[in-house]
Amino acid sequence: GQQLNQSPQSMFIQEGEDVSMNCTSSSIFNTWLWYKQDPGEGPVLLIALYKAGELTSNGRLTAQFGITRKDSFLNISASIPSDVGIYFCASGKISSGSARQLTFGSGTQLTVLP
Amino acid sequence: DGGITQSPKYLFRKEGQNVTLSCEQNLNHDAMYWYRQDPGQGLRLIYYSQIVNDFQKGDIAEGYSVSREKKESFPLTVTSAQKNPTAFYLCASTTWGNQPQHFGDGTRLSIL
Repeated sequence: GQQLNQSPQSMFIQEGEDVSMNCTSSSIFNTWLWYKQDPGEGPVLLIALYKAGELTSNGRLTAQFGITRKDSFLNISASIPSDVGIYFCASGKISSGSARQLTFGSGTQLTVLP
Repeated sequence: DGGITQSPKYLFRKEGQNVTLSCEQNLNHDAMYWYRQDPGQGLRLIYYSQIVNDFQKGDIAEGYSVSREKKESFPLTVTSAQKNPTAFYLCASTTWGNQPQHFGDGTRLSIL
């Protein structure tokens, strides 16, 4: 199947620092999604992007849909301890009259040190 | 509250045994999905269903089976043919069109 390259694989940062992670693909997608997963739980949607070049914020989180439609990044500003978790990117193509099929990145494990 | 309920939270399987994981949603979503998650890897699609009584194989369907007899339910059976079933299984649902998938809290399956 299609592959997404998500980096970095893990990050250790000090509380208060900003964080940036990204996903790239060799294929063009028309949707990029960012999820966060806490241990033992399901992923929770953070931000959804639907247009090339779109920049969307959700509190301290900001994500952008790359102009080439092959990449996306997620930034977290002023990190706090509850930001700890695994962040996944996901992208998909819409086919007429169907629900979306998603491809997921391998995740970025974020650790916030006090 | 509306949401996706997976049960049980933890499940143990003996060699040669089939086990069924439950997924129920009250979001009135048309499409439902099953994913497998292994440590350090992204989610891999097992099966998905876009409407009742219809489902399609995903990337790793071998050793699994599903049914979609009701819109709100999409159970996954892990058969004895699945030789490496230990993983975290996630169910998701969405409506048609450009809507994101929403996930349940997962079932962790282990081998005894």
